[in-house]
Amino acid sequence: GQQLNQSPQSMFIQEGEDVSMNCTSSSIFNTWLWYKQDPGEGPVLLIALYKAGELTSNGRLTAQFGITRKDSFLNISASIPSDVGIYFCAGQLYKAAGNKLTFGGGTRVLVKP
Amino acid sequence: NAGVTQTPKFQVLKTGQSMTLQCAQDMNHNSMYWYRQDPGMGLRLIYYSASEGTTDKGEVPNGYNVSRLNKREFSLRLESAAPSQTSVYFCASSRGSEAFFGQGTRLTVV
Repeated sequence: GQQLNQSPQSMFIQEGEDVSMNCTSSSIFNTWLWYKQDPGEGPVLLIALYKAGELTSNGRLTAQFGITRKDSFLNISASIPSDVGIYFCAGQLYKAAGNKLTFGGGTRVLVKP
Repeated sequence: NAGVTQTPKFQVLKTGQSMTLQCAQDMNHNSMYWYRQDPGMGLRLIYYSASEGTTDKGEVPNGYNVSRLNKREFSLRLESAAPSQTSVYFCASSRGSEAFFGQGTRLTVV
Protein backbone atom coordinates (compact mmCIF):
# COMPACT_ATOMS: atom_id res chain seq x y z
CA GLY A 1 0.00 0.00 0.00
CA GLN A 2 0.91 3.65 0.07
CA GLN A 3 3.57 4.76 2.51
CA LEU A 4 4.30 8.12 4.06
CA ASN A 5 7.77 8.64 5.50
CA GLN A 6 7.67 11.12 8.33
CA SER A 7 10.81 12.64 9.84
CA PRO A 8 12.25 13.07 12.28
CA GLN A 9 10.79 10.20 14.31
CA SER A 10 11.33 12.23 17.47
CA MET A 11 12.70 15.59 18.49
CA PHE A 12 13.39 17.57 21.61
CA ILE A 13 12.24 21.15 21.83
CA GLN A 14 13.29 24.01 24.04
CA GLU A 15 10.76 26.68 24.86
CA GLY A 16 10.93 29.47 22.30
CA GLU A 17 12.55 27.39 19.54
CA ASP A 18 11.18 26.97 16.03
CA VAL A 19 10.92 23.34 14.89
CA SER A 20 10.13 21.61 11.62
CA MET A 21 9.03 18.19 10.50
CA ASN A 22 8.19 16.75 7.12
CA CYS A 23 6.45 13.96 5.32
CA THR A 24 7.39 12.44 1.98
CA SER A 25 5.85 9.87 -0.30
CA SER A 26 6.56 8.16 -3.59
CA SER A 27 2.92 8.78 -4.55
CA ILE A 28 1.14 11.99 -5.50
CA PHE A 29 -1.48 13.06 -2.97
CA ASN A 30 -4.46 15.31 -3.55
CA THR A 31 -4.78 16.47 0.05
CA TRP A 32 -2.37 16.70 2.96
CA LEU A 33 -3.42 16.96 6.60
CA TRP A 34 -1.57 17.39 9.86
CA TYR A 35 -2.83 16.01 13.18
CA LYS A 36 -1.63 16.24 16.78
CA GLN A 37 -2.17 13.54 19.38
CA ASP A 38 -1.89 14.24 23.09
CA PRO A 39 -1.27 11.31 25.49
CA GLY A 40 -4.38 9.21 26.00
CA GLU A 41 -6.36 11.11 23.35
CA GLY A 42 -7.29 10.69 19.71
CA PRO A 43 -5.58 12.70 16.95
CA VAL A 44 -6.92 16.21 16.44
CA LEU A 45 -6.83 17.94 13.06
CA LEU A 46 -4.48 20.94 12.97
CA ILE A 47 -4.25 21.97 9.32
CA ALA A 48 -5.66 20.72 6.00
CA LEU A 49 -4.00 21.54 2.64
CA TYR A 50 -5.78 21.14 -0.69
CA LYS A 51 -3.57 22.69 -3.35
CA ALA A 52 0.05 22.19 -4.43
CA GLY A 53 2.18 25.03 -3.10
CA GLU A 54 -0.43 26.06 -0.53
CA LEU A 55 0.91 27.54 2.70
CA THR A 56 -1.55 27.61 5.61
CA SER A 57 -1.20 28.80 9.20
CA ASN A 58 -3.06 27.98 12.37
CA GLY A 59 -1.68 30.15 15.16
CA ARG A 60 1.99 29.26 15.60
CA LEU A 61 1.70 26.33 13.19
CA THR A 62 2.41 26.66 9.48
CA ALA A 63 2.11 23.84 6.97
CA GLN A 64 2.92 23.64 3.28
CA PHE A 65 1.71 21.37 0.50
CA GLY A 66 4.81 20.58 -1.58
CA ILE A 67 4.74 21.59 -5.24
CA THR A 68 5.58 18.05 -6.35
CA ARG A 69 2.45 16.90 -4.41
CA LYS A 70 4.66 14.22 -2.84
CA ASP A 71 5.56 16.02 0.36
CA SER A 72 4.39 18.34 3.09
CA PHE A 73 6.03 20.29 5.89
CA LEU A 74 4.92 21.48 9.31
CA ASN A 75 6.63 24.24 11.26
CA ILE A 76 5.98 25.19 14.86
CA SER A 77 7.24 28.63 15.83
CA ALA A 78 8.18 29.74 19.35
CA SER A 79 7.59 26.31 20.97
CA ILE A 80 5.78 26.11 24.27
CA PRO A 81 5.52 23.10 26.63
CA SER A 82 2.01 22.18 25.45
CA ASP A 83 3.40 21.55 21.95
CA VAL A 84 4.59 18.19 23.29
CA GLY A 85 2.79 15.27 21.65
CA ILE A 86 2.84 13.18 18.51
CA TYR A 87 2.32 14.90 15.16
CA PHE A 88 1.01 12.86 12.25
CA CYS A 89 0.86 13.73 8.60
CA ALA A 90 -1.84 12.15 6.47
CA GLY A 91 -2.38 12.14 2.72
CA GLN A 92 -5.40 11.46 0.60
CA LEU A 93 -5.18 10.16 -2.95
CA TYR A 94 -7.29 11.66 -5.72
CA LYS A 95 -10.78 10.13 -5.50
CA ALA A 96 -9.68 7.81 -2.69
CA ALA A 97 -12.28 5.13 -2.01
CA GLY A 98 -14.21 6.08 1.11
CA ASN A 99 -12.04 9.24 1.41
CA LYS A 100 -9.38 7.05 3.03
CA LEU A 101 -6.31 8.65 4.51
CA THR A 102 -2.78 7.24 4.67
CA PHE A 103 -0.87 8.18 7.81
CA GLY A 104 2.82 8.71 8.46
CA GLY A 105 4.51 7.05 11.42
CA GLY A 106 4.43 10.22 13.51
CA THR A 107 6.95 12.67 14.97
CA ARG A 108 7.16 12.54 18.75
CA VAL A 109 7.89 16.00 20.18
CA LEU A 110 9.44 16.03 23.64
CA VAL A 111 10.75 18.75 25.92
CA LYS A 112 14.52 19.03 26.45
CA PRO A 113 15.34 18.05 30.01
CA ASN B 1 -21.11 18.51 20.83
CA ALA B 2 -19.88 14.92 21.33
CA GLY B 3 -18.27 14.30 17.89
CA VAL B 4 -17.05 10.69 17.78
CA THR B 5 -17.72 8.56 20.87
CA GLN B 6 -16.06 5.20 21.47
CA THR B 7 -16.79 2.62 24.14
CA PRO B 8 -15.21 1.14 26.14
CA LYS B 9 -12.08 3.21 26.86
CA PHE B 10 -10.16 0.26 28.28
CA GLN B 11 -10.57 -3.50 27.97
CA VAL B 12 -8.60 -6.58 28.93
CA LEU B 13 -9.44 -9.83 27.15
CA LYS B 14 -8.15 -13.36 27.44
CA THR B 15 -6.91 -15.04 24.29
CA GLY B 16 -9.85 -16.50 22.41
CA GLN B 17 -12.50 -14.23 23.92
CA SER B 18 -14.67 -12.08 21.69
CA MET B 19 -15.78 -8.50 22.04
CA THR B 20 -17.29 -5.61 20.11
CA LEU B 21 -15.96 -2.06 20.13
CA GLN B 22 -18.69 0.52 19.67
CA CYS B 23 -18.44 3.82 17.83
CA ALA B 24 -21.01 6.54 17.20
CA GLN B 25 -20.75 9.96 15.54
CA ASP B 26 -23.19 12.85 15.68
CA MET B 27 -21.80 14.91 12.78
CA ASN B 28 -23.94 13.31 10.05
CA HIS B 29 -20.80 12.06 8.29
CA ASN B 30 -21.06 9.49 5.54
CA SER B 31 -17.70 7.77 5.99
CA MET B 32 -16.47 5.98 9.10
CA TYR B 33 -13.22 4.16 9.86
CA TRP B 34 -11.49 1.88 12.33
CA TYR B 35 -7.73 2.26 12.87
CA ARG B 36 -5.27 0.58 15.16
CA GLN B 37 -2.24 2.36 16.58
CA ASP B 38 0.88 0.48 17.58
CA PRO B 39 4.16 2.05 18.77
CA GLY B 40 6.23 3.39 15.87
CA MET B 41 3.67 2.30 13.26
CA GLY B 42 1.34 5.25 13.07
CA LEU B 43 -2.33 4.60 12.35
CA ARG B 44 -3.23 1.61 10.22
CA LEU B 45 -6.67 1.26 8.67
CA ILE B 46 -8.54 -1.92 9.62
CA TYR B 47 -11.91 -1.40 7.90
CA TYR B 48 -13.89 1.50 6.58
CA SER B 49 -17.44 2.29 5.57
CA ALA B 50 -17.85 4.83 2.77
CA SER B 51 -21.58 5.13 3.44
CA GLU B 52 -24.39 3.46 5.31
CA GLY B 53 -24.76 -0.12 4.11
CA THR B 54 -21.22 -0.56 2.77
CA THR B 55 -18.00 -1.77 4.39
CA ASP B 56 -14.57 -2.48 2.93
CA LYS B 57 -11.25 -3.88 4.10
CA GLY B 58 -8.38 -1.59 4.89
CA GLU B 59 -4.72 -2.36 5.33
CA VAL B 60 -4.94 -4.84 8.27
CA PRO B 61 -8.41 -6.49 8.31
CA ASN B 62 -7.47 -10.03 9.37
CA GLY B 63 -9.06 -11.09 12.66
CA TYR B 64 -11.71 -8.35 12.59
CA ASN B 65 -15.26 -7.84 11.38
CA VAL B 66 -17.32 -4.66 11.21
CA SER B 67 -20.96 -3.61 11.05
CA ARG B 68 -22.29 -0.27 9.86
CA LEU B 69 -25.46 -0.39 11.88
CA ASN B 70 -26.82 2.93 10.60
CA LYS B 71 -25.36 6.27 9.55
CA ARG B 72 -24.27 7.06 13.12
CA GLU B 73 -22.81 3.77 14.30
CA PHE B 74 -19.90 1.60 13.15
CA SER B 75 -18.80 -1.31 15.33
CA LEU B 76 -15.64 -3.44 15.27
CA ARG B 77 -15.74 -7.07 16.40
CA LEU B 78 -12.92 -9.36 17.44
CA GLU B 79 -14.28 -12.90 17.20
CA SER B 80 -11.33 -14.66 18.84
CA ALA B 81 -8.86 -12.22 20.36
CA ALA B 82 -5.13 -12.84 20.01
CA PRO B 83 -2.20 -11.15 21.80
CA SER B 84 -1.22 -9.57 18.46
CA GLN B 85 -4.43 -7.56 18.65
CA THR B 86 -3.22 -5.72 21.74
CA SER B 87 -3.34 -2.12 20.54
CA VAL B 88 -5.11 1.20 20.79
CA TYR B 89 -8.14 1.32 18.50
CA PHE B 90 -9.51 4.54 17.06
CA CYS B 91 -12.77 5.16 15.32
CA ALA B 92 -13.06 8.15 12.99
CA SER B 93 -15.62 9.74 10.71
CA SER B 94 -15.34 12.15 7.79
CA ARG B 95 -17.26 14.05 5.19
CA GLY B 96 -14.66 14.76 2.55
CA SER B 97 -10.97 14.78 3.44
CA GLU B 98 -11.05 15.81 7.08
CA ALA B 99 -11.35 12.93 9.53
CA PHE B 100 -12.34 13.36 13.17
CA PHE B 101 -11.29 10.82 15.77
CA GLY B 102 -12.70 9.36 18.94
CA GLN B 103 -10.66 9.12 22.13
CA GLY B 104 -9.64 5.51 21.52
CA THR B 105 -10.02 2.11 23.15
CA ARG B 106 -6.95 0.62 24.78
CA LEU B 107 -7.22 -3.15 24.36
CA THR B 108 -4.93 -5.68 26.00
CA VAL B 109 -5.16 -9.37 25.10
CA VAL B 110 -3.47 -11.68 27.59
